[in-house]
Amino acid sequence: GNSVTQMEGPVTLSEEAFLTINCTYTATGYPSLFWYVQYPGEGLQLLLKATKADDKGSNKGFEATYRKETTSFHLEKGSVQVSDSAVYFCALISNTGNQFYFGTGTSLTVIP
Amino acid sequence: DTAVSQTPKYLVTQMGNDKSIKCEQNLGHDTMYWYKQDSKKFLKIMFSYNNKELIINETVPNRFSPKSPDKAHLNLHINSLELGDSAVYFCASSQDPRDIGETQYFGPGTRLLVL
Repeated sequence: GNSVTQMEGPVTLSEEAFLTINCTYTATGYPSLFWYVQYPGEGLQLLLKATKADDKGSNKGFEATYRKETTSFHLEKGSVQVSDSAVYFCALISNTGNQFYFGTGTSLTVIP
Repeated sequence: DTAVSQTPKYLVTQMGNDKSIKCEQNLGHDTMYWYKQDSKKFLKIMFSYNNKELIINETVPNRFSPKSPDKAHLNLHINSLELGDSAVYFCASSQDPRDIGETQYFGPGTRLLVL
């Protein structure tokens, strides 16, 4: 079956530090992969996505590359800001479009 | 204009009561969803509707019943509320999940507390 596993938090970083949040998946076929972000008190928003192997999604300085050989979609940012403090969710949608899986979420706090 | 809206934003109620949460999207999407997020932020899909027809119904208690009067609305009715139903419920929509890489748009959430 399909599943998503992401690193547990919470993660606390100083401003301008490098961020990596690991995400690995198991899936049949070729799923689409997403990172969503949830700011305090709000709903989830799409951060970036990739729909096929070796695709790189990027947005707001965040990047993630769809690695089929390692079944991973790790989220990275070179220099985090206080405003990046949020919960980050890795997600998978099956290639049939009828299976949706979210990771458990990783809480990030960036301190000045 | 808010793309996906939910009402109410907060809901506090007694065990055993029946309550409804409403969701509306003005994006013209064909598919709508309900998710439950527990206190540990774990997010799980409950239901998915495409053009008013149920296409996903995960293993949720039958006390939960989704109702879709039209493709812009997907309401969630909960009978005989239990303490464990306390959570944040998110509505979402997308055009067609079978399209590769289709993005889901989430509402702001309804925070349900059962006392």
